[in-house]
Amino acid sequence: DTAVSQTPKYLVTQMGNDKSIKCEQNLGHDTMYWYKQDSKKFLKIMFSYNNKELIINETVPNRFSPKSPDKAHLNLHINSLELGDSAVYFCASSQGGQVFSNQPQHFGDGTRLSIL
Amino acid sequence: AQTVTQSQPEMSVQEAETVTLSCTYDTSESDYYLFWYKQPPSRQMILVIRQEAYKQQNATENRFSVNFQKAAKSFSLKISDSQLGDAAMYFCAYRIPNYGGSQGNLIFGKGTKLSVKP
Repeated sequence: DTAVSQTPKYLVTQMGNDKSIKCEQNLGHDTMYWYKQDSKKFLKIMFSYNNKELIINETVPNRFSPKSPDKAHLNLHINSLELGDSAVYFCASSQGGQVFSNQPQHFGDGTRLSIL
Repeated sequence: AQTVTQSQPEMSVQEAETVTLSCTYDTSESDYYLFWYKQPPSRQMILVIRQEAYKQQNATENRFSVNFQKAAKSFSLKISDSQLGDAAMYFCAYRIPNYGGSQGNLIFGKGTKLSVKP
């Protein structure tokens, strides 16, 4: 009964490849997020998305694209992988709306992406 | 732009003792939310405690409590009776309400690595 699940947990691939990370939440939340944690453990928002709007952090390269087939899923596609993309990627979800602003985000266990 | 600063990259505490992790933030908003997350070596992100900016009373959760000083924009975490299982990275995070184009993403500090000595 995992709340936010990401697959795969580990992803090792070569530079230039295209890869995807899947995320699913069973909490009934309407907003999902992708965060990147770099080698120094710094966490930074990449995307936030609800069923109406995608907000992209302006520093994210356009090689990264989120895709949401439905409210419970927000997958991350990465094209032409580069060495600097090596990091841990976290998916998270929460309920939108001002009344839910104090509710915490629920995180997946992260996907460690290693680029050879 | 909002920023979150954790000035202690590493901290150490003796088991059963008390430790305080500091966090300051910068914002022009009057309404916002603050969180502490714990990340053990297993990599999970675990919510420790939360505080609404409009509440004057400091939040507490068992051995964890905060000292929220809104005017000083300070939000420190106190861990009492430290246990070996408290060893982890601790992240302070800030969030604005979900309206006006915001989807409530978190802005994190750089983290404090807490070691607990037996």
